[in-house]
Amino acid sequence: AQKITQTQPGMFVQEKEAVTLDCTYDTSDPSYGLFWYKQPSSGEMIFLIYQGSYDQQNATEGRYSLNFQKARKSANLVISASQLGDSAMYFCAMREGWKGAQKLVFGQGTRLTINP
Amino acid sequence: NAGVMQNPRHLVRRRGQEARLRCSPMKGHSHVYWYRQLPEEGLKFMVYLQKENIIDESGMPKERFSAEFPKEGPSILRIQQVVRGDSAAYFCASSPSQGGSNEQYFGPGTRLTVT
Repeated sequence: AQKITQTQPGMFVQEKEAVTLDCTYDTSDPSYGLFWYKQPSSGEMIFLIYQGSYDQQNATEGRYSLNFQKARKSANLVISASQLGDSAMYFCAMREGWKGAQKLVFGQGTRLTINP
Repeated sequence: NAGVMQNPRHLVRRRGQEARLRCSPMKGHSHVYWYRQLPEEGLKFMVYLQKENIIDESGMPKERFSAEFPKEGPSILRIQQVVRGDSAAYFCASSPSQGGSNEQYFGPGTRLTVT
């Protein structure tokens, strides 16, 4: 079974609009962390935002916010006021919390294109 | 403060040759992770190492692949007798310790092409 599901292979958004990238996850561990990474065409992986399973508030980092709905097991990324430079692949990832299992499990990604 | 360093950035090997990928973690980081990204896919975990120890190698293919993180020097991912299916981007990440909000900092990746 997929641990991380990103259902949008591609999204096209007008510049300056807000965009929501979907991510659902599957785990039975009560302790876990959720991450979003951006991968531009140059290929590097850029950390955007982190949400811990016990965090009471949704994480925010500048124009990025994470809409964390624990009961629905979703961790959608919201980018406000999109810019042309936001065009990239976006990956949602999860780290499960039990000792020794520190690997990140990634979704398939969403390719975001910002149109001028 | 230098980030995670990987070299080479691009590596071309003929089928049957060996590929050695190097990763130097960020200063002060003692945990290293290797991931593989096939074209148009997400990253897949391969192995997690601490200095001189392999902690989790559940994502490593059983044959031809090995990894080490010696007491001194970079972490090495070694692929013996490469095949075309090994062509991928290989990313190394490091973190200072386990758990919590400690993000894994990624290197720029090594793009391996097997001809």
